[in-house]
Amino acid sequence: GQQVMQIPQYQHVQEGEDFTTYCNSSTTLSNIQWYKQRPGGHPVFLIQLVKSGEVKKQKRLTFQFGEAKKNSSLHITATQTTDVGTYFCAGPGTGKLIFGQGTTLQVKP
Amino acid sequence: KAGVTQTPRYLIKTRGQQVTLSCSPISGHRSVSWYQQTPGQGLQFLFEYFSETQRNKGNFPGRFSGRQFSNSRSEMNVSTLELGDSALYLCASNWRDSLTDTQYFGPGTRLTVL
Repeated sequence: GQQVMQIPQYQHVQEGEDFTTYCNSSTTLSNIQWYKQRPGGHPVFLIQLVKSGEVKKQKRLTFQFGEAKKNSSLHITATQTTDVGTYFCAGPGTGKLIFGQGTTLQVKP
Repeated sequence: KAGVTQTPRYLIKTRGQQVTLSCSPISGHRSVSWYQQTPGQGLQFLFEYFSETQRNKGNFPGRFSGRQFSNSRSEMNVSTLELGDSALYLCASNWRDSLTDTQYFGPGTRLTVL
């Protein structure tokens, strides 16, 4: 069946370093979404990308959708302790959203 | 608009018991999805309801069931609880149109089965 894979599973960075998580789908996606879950919290919608090659920015976060619409990335510039959490990508499957396993980011102050 | 509410927030049950969880979606949203989240399995889709009808179902045993009421509130039920059912159960209020399918998650119900 359709799969959405994310790497890495975990990432520890020093505050101020950059961070990137990658998302790959086994099938072409009509769109891809990103969510953030803080420790002890619930997933919160961050952004949706729809167009091939689309790049969107939210302050220090840069989201990219691949040309083939099968992969995506989230890049955080100069991480802060507030960036701690698990980042999920999700793509539409048959009647449901399929979530990647998530990348858990730890930031050392 | 008020966000998604889920009750109860925490629940402790013993094996063999059953449990009912409740979710109230964002006003105006007619679709509700349920997910099970565990450390090892991530977010696993349980089912989706739209206008009181189950529209999609994930790969969970029949012990997991749900329903939706005319006011869009939804409940999920787990019967004959097993230890492995311990998880965070998340409800998502869905907004879907021709361009987007966005999930707005509630705070979840943390279920512990002893």
